[in-house]
Order: sequence, then C-alpha cells, then structure tokens
Amino acid sequence: GAGVSQSPRYKVAKRGQDVALRCDPISGHVSLFWYQQALGQGPEFLTYFQNEAQLDKSGLPSDRFFAERPEGSVSTLKIQRTQQEDSAVYLCASSPFGGGGSQEQYFGPGTRLTVT
Amino acid sequence: AQRVTQPEKLLSVFKGAPVELKCNYSYSGSPELFWYVQYSRQRLQLLLRHISRESIKGFTADLNKGETSFHLKKPFAQEEDSAMYYCALGTAGKLVFGAGTILRVKS
Repeated sequence: GAGVSQSPRYKVAKRGQDVALRCDPISGHVSLFWYQQALGQGPEFLTYFQNEAQLDKSGLPSDRFFAERPEGSVSTLKIQRTQQEDSAVYLCASSPFGGGGSQEQYFGPGTRLTVT
Repeated sequence: AQRVTQPEKLLSVFKGAPVELKCNYSYSGSPELFWYVQYSRQRLQLLLRHISRESIKGFTADLNKGETSFHLKKPFAQEEDSAMYYCALGTAGKLVFGAGTILRVKS
C-alpha cells in the first residue's frame, strides 16, 4: 500500500518568505510526527499529533514554526519568515498507534528546504 | 536529558567481516531503543527494536542497561548492508536520534 508521502520534495525559499510543507500519513494512522534533519545530523523531533490533537510541540524551534492536522489525517508544517538556519530536510512519520508509547514510525521521503 | 550518542561517523569494513555499530544513551527511565536504517535514495525505515529481541537481516542488538548501550552487531557484513544507521531512543511517543553512522562494506 501507499506509504507516507510529503510534498513538495524540494523547496527553495528566499529569506523572509513563508513556506508550507504537507504530509499525507498512511491511511488510518493515529499518530503523526514532524522531525527536522540538518545536514550531517540525525532527525530532531519537532511536534507530535494524535489524531487532530497536537500533544507535544516542545521541539518547535521558534514561534515562526506552526503545525496543524485539522481533520486527523493530512498535516501541514508552516514556517513563517524563513531564515537560513531553517534549511534542512523536514521528515514526517506516522504510526498506527496512539497512547504515548514509542512504536515503529513509518517515515516519508522528506522535504528538503533551502533558504537563500 | 535524553541523549543518544553514536561515536563513529563512518565505519568501513570488508565483506564477510564482523560489524559493530556503537550506540550509547542517556535516559532516566526504562528505555525503548530502536535501530533505523536509510539505504541510498530510500527513506528511513525501522531495522529492529530492542523489545522484540529479533534478528533482522542478520543484525542483532542487545540492550545493556549497566553500560547504557544498544550496539548493533552482525557477524558477517554484506555489501548490501552499506547504509546510514541511526540509533533512536523512544520517549513519550517521540524518537530521539543519534547523529548516525555510515556503514561502508567493501568487497
């Protein structure tokens, strides 16, 4: 079946522009996660949804970052007034389970954001 | 604080040689540990998790709470094992990743 999909796959933004990154999780998956992966680093947690509820947003680096999942399926990560340090790969992952325990997460291909 | 350390950025071995990818963690509770792998031009995928205690593609990993380690091992490396490997700690649903180790298996 279809895995997690993300769009766009590549995004170039001028500093100061707003961007929106989309994630389509596996159908029926309860949990959805966003991670940021800088060059040469492992993924770093940004935020986590269980259905439409954002249960943890402790990893969002600033108030320029905002995520939503209004109907409990598709999610959008929005970055306002992009800065060069926002350049990274943004990964989305989903899991069929909720409940706060850590289970296998299924990752999307990522969106590579370059801020010039 | 929760932290995962993978001390080697690159590990290069010959085909047929044993492999050990090191992972140490810092966590005050009872840890849930995972190894994820990313093959060239593919997405990140789960390789194994400590709770299932299984062997996947010949890889095993044992949780050592005394040494706070979860090293990944394989007795005989194959060329198709070349990839980026990430150790990850599960906490409150999210994953905390190490920086990753590139494994290169030479023929």
